[in-house]
Amino acid sequence: QQQVKQSPQSLIVQKGGISIINCAYENTAFDYFPWYQQFPGKGPALLIAIRPDVSEKKEGRFTISFNKSAKQFSLHIMDSQPGDSATYFCAASSLGGTSYGKLTFGQGTILTVHP
Amino acid sequence: NAGVTQTPKFRILKIGQSMTLQCTQDMNHNYMYWYRQDPGMGLKLIYYSVGAGITDKGEVPNGYNVSRSTTEDFPLRLELAAPSQTSVYFCASRRSGDNQPQHFGDGTRLSIL
Repeated sequence: QQQVKQSPQSLIVQKGGISIINCAYENTAFDYFPWYQQFPGKGPALLIAIRPDVSEKKEGRFTISFNKSAKQFSLHIMDSQPGDSATYFCAASSLGGTSYGKLTFGQGTILTVHP
Repeated sequence: NAGVTQTPKFRILKIGQSMTLQCTQDMNHNYMYWYRQDPGMGLKLIYYSVGAGITDKGEVPNGYNVSRSTTEDFPLRLELAAPSQTSVYFCASRRSGDNQPQHFGDGTRLSIL
């Protein structure tokens, strides 16, 4: 079954702290793993993405760590800011073929960063 | 550049009524998608389209229909609204090819009473 399991459901962090959200997948055909950020009343927007040929990707304060053997990946937000308060979704997709970019999403994590 | 535009933003329907959720994009993207978002459940794919005249079912298609007569528009039709269809609906589009992000509209919040 094509599932992506995400944890925790909610996360509260103090300003300046590190936020960590974890995801695990089952389908070994997945080879593209994006993270989306969603603010209230808005649609999700791509934050950062990784392919399994690398174990880590960093963009500013956001880092994806990827463990192919464990079929797990995680999002780390360094120096978390109140403006990072949002819902975060991990997702997975198979590239090429007949996948047509379809994404399987995790359940979402509501992040609250206290000032 | 408006991106992906969804209308209406909010709607209340009675059980058994029908309606069409509108989605249009101005980025000339071939691929378009409809998702529903329920609390704690993430986003589930309802239908998708890879070009005008081509549509296919996603994970949760029952109770919905779609059409794609133009590249820009991808409406979602609810024929007999049921309380289980109360949700927030998102339309997205993307270019064909690898590593292309999906661009989402701001959603339609639908309540069936």
